Amino acid sequence: DARVTQTPRHKVTEMGQEVTMRCQPILGHNTVFWYRQTMMQGLELLAYFRNRAPLDDSGMPKDRFSAEMPDATLATLKIQPSEPRDSAVYFCASGPKGQTNTGELFFGEGSRLTVL
Amino acid sequence: AQKVTQAQTEISVVEKEDVTLDCVYETRDTTYYLFWYKQPPSGELVFLIRRNSFDEQNEISGRYSWNFQKSTSSFNFTITASQVVDSAVYFCALRSGGYQKVTFGTGTKLQVIP
Repeated sequence: DARVTQTPRHKVTEMGQEVTMRCQPILGHNTVFWYRQTMMQGLELLAYFRNRAPLDDSGMPKDRFSAEMPDATLATLKIQPSEPRDSAVYFCASGPKGQTNTGELFFGEGSRLTVL
Repeated sequence: AQKVTQAQTEISVVEKEDVTLDCVYETRDTTYYLFWYKQPPSGELVFLIRRNSFDEQNEISGRYSWNFQKSTSSFNFTITASQVVDSAVYFCALRSGGYQKVTFGTGTKLQVIP
């Protein structure tokens, strides 16, 4: 059963620490999205990639956030230094390419981050 | 720019009642896709339906139905005879633009009371 895998599922850290979240998209998918979910803002698009190339990261605070795809099976979202306002659930989603691209996204279970 | 508005933040209904979740979208593109996702208490987002901008035919799937109207830029979702298991947050989403960016609404929390 193909699914998007995110690690860690939960992370508690102290302000100022570096946080790295990882995502393994579904094999064969060529688009990857990072979303952040908070009560106040809902689902915010942070960044997304197609064929490992970043297409849009305008929703991401550039001074502390960075997103990369070292290879087709791994996407990372890094926060350095983390702040309490970064506390949220971070979702990764992937989408299929070409003829099989029916548009919907497949979401991971999310990484719940708490910054103290 | 693209935008999705879900004006209803929370809705409570009694089991077996019908409920409609509203979604209004904005985009300059003539080709786009609309979606509904469900987020149950477990947290994972689950795809429900996809509609492209050239297909205004309404769709029914069991107790779920969707009403797509381009004239009002709306894509509303109706649950008939609601059940407790329908309790979740429902998101409307829009995919458009050259890079096919996906934008979500803020979600509507539906609570179905037994």
